[in-house]
Order: sequence, then C-alpha cells, then structure tokens
Amino acid sequence: GESVGLHLPTLSVQEGDNSIINCAYSNSASDYFIWYKQESGKGPQFIIDIRSNMDKRQGQRVTVLLNKTVKHLSLQIAATQPGDSAVYFCAEKSSGGGNKLTFGTGTQLKVEL
Amino acid sequence: DAGVIQSPRHEVTEMGQEVTLRCKPISGHNSLFWYRQTMMRGLELLIYFNNNVPIDDSGMPEDRFSAKMPNASFSTLKIQPSEPRDSAVYFCASSPGTGSPLHFGNGTRLTVT
Repeated sequence: GESVGLHLPTLSVQEGDNSIINCAYSNSASDYFIWYKQESGKGPQFIIDIRSNMDKRQGQRVTVLLNKTVKHLSLQIAATQPGDSAVYFCAEKSSGGGNKLTFGTGTQLKVEL
Repeated sequence: DAGVIQSPRHEVTEMGQEVTLRCKPISGHNSLFWYRQTMMRGLELLIYFNNNVPIDDSGMPEDRFSAKMPNASFSTLKIQPSEPRDSAVYFCASSPGTGSPLHFGNGTRLTVT
C-alpha cells in the first residue's frame, strides 16, 4: 500500500503576534519536559525546559506552561519573528525511564510577513 | 564551543552495503543518544549510553543495527547490511546527565538505494 507520512499540524501567525504551540502527553510519570525547535537541515535545538514541580517557566520571549492535571504542555512565543519559523517538538522524560526523551510529532510554525 | 559533531552529513549507498555513522559528543557530557527521524515515524530513540555503557537499546530496529561507544568522545552507529527502508536522518545527541536537555548534532542524512 501507499505509505503516508506524518501530517504535521501547522500554525500560521503574523509577524509580531504571539504564538501558542500545544502538546499533550500521556505518561503521568513524566517529570521533565523540554521544547525543541528544528529548522530545515538542522538538528533539534533546545529552547526551554520545565520540571514537573513547576507550572510555568519563562525565558527570553518564550514561556512554557505545564498543566499536569490534564497532561498538557504549551509553548508561548511573544512577538513572533520570521526567524521563529520552524518545527517545534515537545519531549518528555519519565521518572522511571532513565535519561531518555520521548518526542511528540511536532508542530510547524509559519510566520507570515 | 563545539557542539555535537556528526559525520558524514550525507551518505548515499546501495542496498546491502555497510554504513557507519560517527558522532563526537560535547566534551564532559556523559550520556549519548542515537535517534532516527523519518516522515513516517518522527524522532525515534534507537539507543543511549551512560558513561560509555549501553543502557537502553530497545529502539534498535533489528540485528542489522549496532552501536558502540569505545570512549567518552566517540560513538558509531553501524548498519550492515543496509536496506532502502533505513533511509532517514540519524541524529546523535549528548547530555551532561539525567534531567538535563539533550544537545543534538546536525544529523547524517542516509539514503539507501
């Protein structure tokens, strides 16, 4: 049969607007979460992380929110710029899973001028 | 500050040939990871090492795949014999320890014809 690739959800925003990228996770034992940005032809780049004992963490222009009750993670990017266009992945580490990260399928962010 | 270095950047080979991918982790990082990225499956963990010892190789697809880490500054991922379905981007990542983000190289794009 015909192979079908992953269909990445796409978020299109205007330059200067705020972006919110969402991620759902299923493992209630996950205790560490990371957001990565991947540009074409490059490896994933670390953006920001958060541990399960926190519900919010801020970096430069980025904020990560963690809602453990509904197992939901979000990345907010303020004043989105063309250079923010990329695929964004959330990743989680299980408290009993050693040091390995499990990645989500990713969201394509497109910034329109 | 050198990041994770992978070689080659691109590899094109014929089915049945042996392929060796190489990785130099960031100095001082004691965990090393091999991931594979495809459109079908996204980012999948193949194997990871702590202090040069393989900890979890449950993601290695089959016996054709093998990975070694002879010292703290070098790792290889070998596929023998290679098959067209092995075509993917293979990423190496390193981390200073549990609960720290992974730092990725820029990957090796493997094409098996």
